[in-house]
Amino acid sequence: QSVLTQPPSVSGAPGQRVTISCTGSSSNIGAAYDVHWYQQLPGTAPKLLIYGNANRPSGVPDRFSGSKSGTSASLAITGLQAEDEADYYCQSYDSSLSAFYVFGTGTKVTVL
Amino acid sequence: EVQLVQSGAEVKKPGESLKISCKGSGYSFISYWIGWVRQMPGKGLEWMGIIYPGDSESRYSPSFQGQVTLSADKSISTAYVQWSSLKASDTAMYYCATGEGDCSGGSCFWDYWGQGTLVTVSS
Repeated sequence: QSVLTQPPSVSGAPGQRVTISCTGSSSNIGAAYDVHWYQQLPGTAPKLLIYGNANRPSGVPDRFSGSKSGTSASLAITGLQAEDEADYYCQSYDSSLSAFYVFGTGTKVTVL
Repeated sequence: EVQLVQSGAEVKKPGESLKISCKGSGYSFISYWIGWVRQMPGKGLEWMGIIYPGDSESRYSPSFQGQVTLSADKSISTAYVQWSSLKASDTAMYYCATGEGDCSGGSCFWDYWGQGTLVTVSS
């Protein structure tokens, strides 16, 4: 069971803005560990989308943005496009007794 | 161009052993951590462990400690994960990825990914 909780699904019409939350605790996001986001298109490997809470790798459209506050983080997609339909995962590090890297539960984004 | 190329799909029986690989190119293989991730059918991503090819230091997720063994051969820029006795529950897609940042200290993100290796364990 993941220590980072995401909504199972979010949806929006083309052009709309959607946000995905990633809720953690004082042993991971709240302990100042960075949050990173990955996009997994159907049948493909994950792809780094946001690193260090709010930074986009080269080639990632600026429609994608990340933020972090307290024990939570968010990914926003503005100007939603059909090609954004995918699974999205947040990732951080947890310093509890089971200290290790952790992924969020994952969110399926559907473009209506 | 950084590339991670994983070995092909495997079909095994319960109790058999298996070693899958991840070959890096286009960067200094010994200088970056490699992480391994499991994705069971229709499920989310799970960390298995990480290894530093430079000295083969490895760390395991508690859920995978004792279940798999990570290794690396820096002479051929290849990392491995192996099972000594597969179970049906090991059926999954397995990904490798390169880490950027202080991966031993928890400050790491995973920027390049292999294409995945599908492992099917069935009698």
